[in-house]
Amino acid sequence: AQSVTQLDSHVSVSEGTPVLLRCNYSSSYSPSLFWYVQHPNKGLQLLLKYTSAATLVKGINGFEAEFKKSETSFHLTKPSAHMSDAAEYFCVVSPNAGGTSYGKLTFGQGTILTVHP
Amino acid sequence: DAGVIQSPRHEVTEMGQEVTLRCKPISGHDYLFWYRQTMMRGLELLIYFNNNVPIDDSGMPEDRFSAKMPNASFSTLKIQPSEPRDSAVYFCASWTSGTTDTQYFGPGTRLTVL
Repeated sequence: AQSVTQLDSHVSVSEGTPVLLRCNYSSSYSPSLFWYVQHPNKGLQLLLKYTSAATLVKGINGFEAEFKKSETSFHLTKPSAHMSDAAEYFCVVSPNAGGTSYGKLTFGQGTILTVHP
Repeated sequence: DAGVIQSPRHEVTEMGQEVTLRCKPISGHDYLFWYRQTMMRGLELLIYFNNNVPIDDSGMPEDRFSAKMPNASFSTLKIQPSEPRDSAVYFCASWTSGTTDTQYFGPGTRLTVL
């Protein structure tokens, strides 16, 4: 079984300040972890993914996330927020190959990021 | 590649009518997923296919929902009869079990049942 908990439903930051979106996961397998972003009335776009290689993962638009197995966390960060970062962000877990649920994603409830000028 | 294509983008229908949502996955992807997104329940996996065969339909809410994948480039999600509580955004995603673990999502179909 696998689950994802996004610790904040809403995060509000000022433009130019750091962003931290928190995610904890639970998985019976060695998981793959993803962050997706959804802008209003749009589909989901992949920001970055962790698949058992480097624990610090860099994604698009200056985002990065660090996989911490001991803390079962995969927090998303960005050094300086931009107005265009305002969106909903989803932390996602998927079991790696070999599990019976291979490819079956489990989504967190989402974190809405608001960026103030 | 054009990405995952869904149609229609918006659908408004009346309760009791049949609704058919369509999806064209990325060429070469051997998995296809249907998701539903609502404010109350977030993103839910409804069903997924591997090589056109349904693998897990445990997320399909009830018998009014059915999905088919007649070939590698086309899938449908049908609701018959539709109800107001089916109003949601329905996403299709595709994926290959090859070198990438990334699911690519379509733009979604926003369904409103009056």
